[in-house]
Amino acid sequence: QTVVTQEPSLTVSPGGTVTLTCASTTGAVTSSYYPTWFQQKPGQAPRALIYSTNNRHSWTPARFSGSLLGGKAALTLSGVQPEDEAEYYCLLYYGGAWVFGGGTKVTVL
Amino acid sequence: EVQLVESGGGLAQPGRSLRLSCTASGFIFGDYGLSWFRQAPGKGLEWVGFIRSKSYGGTTEYAASVKGRISISRDDSKSIAYLQMISLKTEDTAVYYCSRGASTYHYDRGTYWPWGFDYWGQGTLLTVSS
Repeated sequence: QTVVTQEPSLTVSPGGTVTLTCASTTGAVTSSYYPTWFQQKPGQAPRALIYSTNNRHSWTPARFSGSLLGGKAALTLSGVQPEDEAEYYCLLYYGGAWVFGGGTKVTVL
Repeated sequence: EVQLVESGGGLAQPGRSLRLSCTASGFIFGDYGLSWFRQAPGKGLEWVGFIRSKSYGGTTEYAASVKGRISISRDDSKSIAYLQMISLKTEDTAVYYCSRGASTYHYDRGTYWPWGFDYWGQGTLLTVSS
């Protein structure tokens, strides 16, 4: 069974930078997995941030960037703002299905 | 303004059937694929299924965990997508979200798949309990 792994939690200071990763038990994540990233705040629906590795949606702040890093998909938050405190999920495409990672809780402290 | 509104959730008994709806506005519904996702209380997100636009065959894909118990359909004249669920189980208890497929596709396994998903609805809670 395919498992997508994310860091359970990360803490970052306001104004700092943090990188979240998304790994696959099947091997290296490549652009063919079309990595997608979502932000979810408590009690709210998910909000799409990044699609197909590194493409921002029109509403995605420039401080959010997607990439591939060391065989994983990555989401980097630069110049973190207090409102960036949230759960972040990655989604990977696996030839006929999509699988989410377990999510990373980002705390801004 | 793009909007997706889910409805049809509530309390259902195990073994029964239920249909959820996703009503869209603010865009040409027929031009886009739609996906359903769910989130059990306190848990992560799970992809449930997807329906392509008629331009891409209007075909459907389902997660292995629910295949055989769900079907997704669409009525482009009403801008509504449906998620029909049968033989409900307590583990189907979740908030169900619909989301619009991205307008860019890649080709794989003989058909087309969106690069991702952009707009989401606010979700509808389905509780399966006796």
